[in-house]
Amino acid sequence: RKEVEQDPGPFNVPEGATVAFNCTYSNSASQSFFWYRQDCRKEPKLLMSVYSSGNEDGRFTAQLNRASQYISLLIRDSKLSDSATYLCVVRGGGADGLTFGKGTHLIIQP
Amino acid sequence: NAGVTQTPKFQVLKTGQSMTLQCAQDMNHEYMSWYRQDPGMGLRLIHYSVGAGITDQGEVPNGYNVSRSTTEDFPLRLLSAAPSQTSVYFCASSPGVGYGYTFGSGTRLTVV
Repeated sequence: RKEVEQDPGPFNVPEGATVAFNCTYSNSASQSFFWYRQDCRKEPKLLMSVYSSGNEDGRFTAQLNRASQYISLLIRDSKLSDSATYLCVVRGGGADGLTFGKGTHLIIQP
Repeated sequence: NAGVTQTPKFQVLKTGQSMTLQCAQDMNHEYMSWYRQDPGMGLRLIHYSVGAGITDQGEVPNGYNVSRSTTEDFPLRLLSAAPSQTSVYFCASSPGVGYGYTFGSGTRLTVV
């Protein structure tokens, strides 16, 4: 059973639109939660941490629901440069290191 | 700061050869880990370390060894390369629990 589940997409979205991703995780002991972004043939880069209170960074808003074991990411006013794969990631609850979802592929169209 | 540095960037090995993938970080991070990324599988944890002298296995440790003699370095050793180890390998470091990891640019390994 995969520990972090995401819709792989692709999501094809027009520039300027709002797009939402979500993921679920199975290990209730997980301690930290993140969204990473990965461009083709590049390393993953931390986009933002995710907290139960919700947090915002510019056009990006993330939310954690611990009871439902559900993580979300909202991108407003999407830009062409937002095209990438978005990885839902959890940490803790046993071994250290990160557990990754397989990623959601986003394509922003002009 | 250079961040997390991985060498080499590309490598081709023959089946049965051994080699070491190098990883160094200059951020004084206690936590380091190695991942492999395969098409359709996502990134999977190979080994991790919570400080110098302390290492442990992740999800896919077979065929790999690690050691952590210093805070800065965390090399990954392939003992006897197999075609199934063809992958992209990422090293990462973190300052502590609750923080994300910073990744190196990766090593693309092909075993023929």
